[in-house]
Amino acid sequence: EDQVTQSPEALRLQEGESSSLNCSYTVSGLRGLFWYRQDPGKGPEFLFTLYSAGEEKEKERLKATLTKKESFLHITAPKPEDSATYLCAGHSYGQNFVFGPGTRLSVLP
Amino acid sequence: ETGVTQSPTHLIKTRGQQVTLRCSSQSGHNTVSWYQQALGQGPQFIFQYYREEENGRGNFPPRFSGLQFPNYSSELNVNALELDDSALYLCASSQERGYTFGSGTRLTVV
Repeated sequence: EDQVTQSPEALRLQEGESSSLNCSYTVSGLRGLFWYRQDPGKGPEFLFTLYSAGEEKEKERLKATLTKKESFLHITAPKPEDSATYLCAGHSYGQNFVFGPGTRLSVLP
Repeated sequence: ETGVTQSPTHLIKTRGQQVTLRCSSQSGHNTVSWYQQALGQGPQFIFQYYREEENGRGNFPPRFSGLQFPNYSSELNVNALELDDSALYLCASSQERGYTFGSGTRLTVV
């Protein structure tokens, strides 16, 4: 069965304190590993897609990496506006997303 | 591009009632999928439509049904509402590898 897990469930950081979020996946026929940001009461906002092990993508303070079983979202020198829930999703052969439960990130000033 | 628009934004229904949620896809996107997101959880796949035909379904009972129209807009219908159906319902439209989510409809069943 396809499954995506994320850790930690919640993370509190001080402004400027770098850290990483983990996503472990078992998705048959993986067509891409996606990262989304979700603010309360809003839909997921696309961040990155990774397609093959070893691939890395960056956007401002965020960098996503991919191995054969895991993906990491590295946050460098975060700011309070980075506070959100970060969702990882495997895009399966069946053409739907299998989402993890998310990591709730709080960045304190 | 106009983005993905969902309506209504919030809805309260009574257990046993029926509800229809609507999604207007991003221009040019011929695939639409629906997800249910319970509080504190990740979205769960309900089903997907491609050119007006259902072409994928998650682990949801038949009382969850849908339609896609020729202009690629879509509806999600839920019959015989249960308390556990309370959730944020998300629509995502796509074409090839691009996916855009709407802001969702918050459904509360009382």
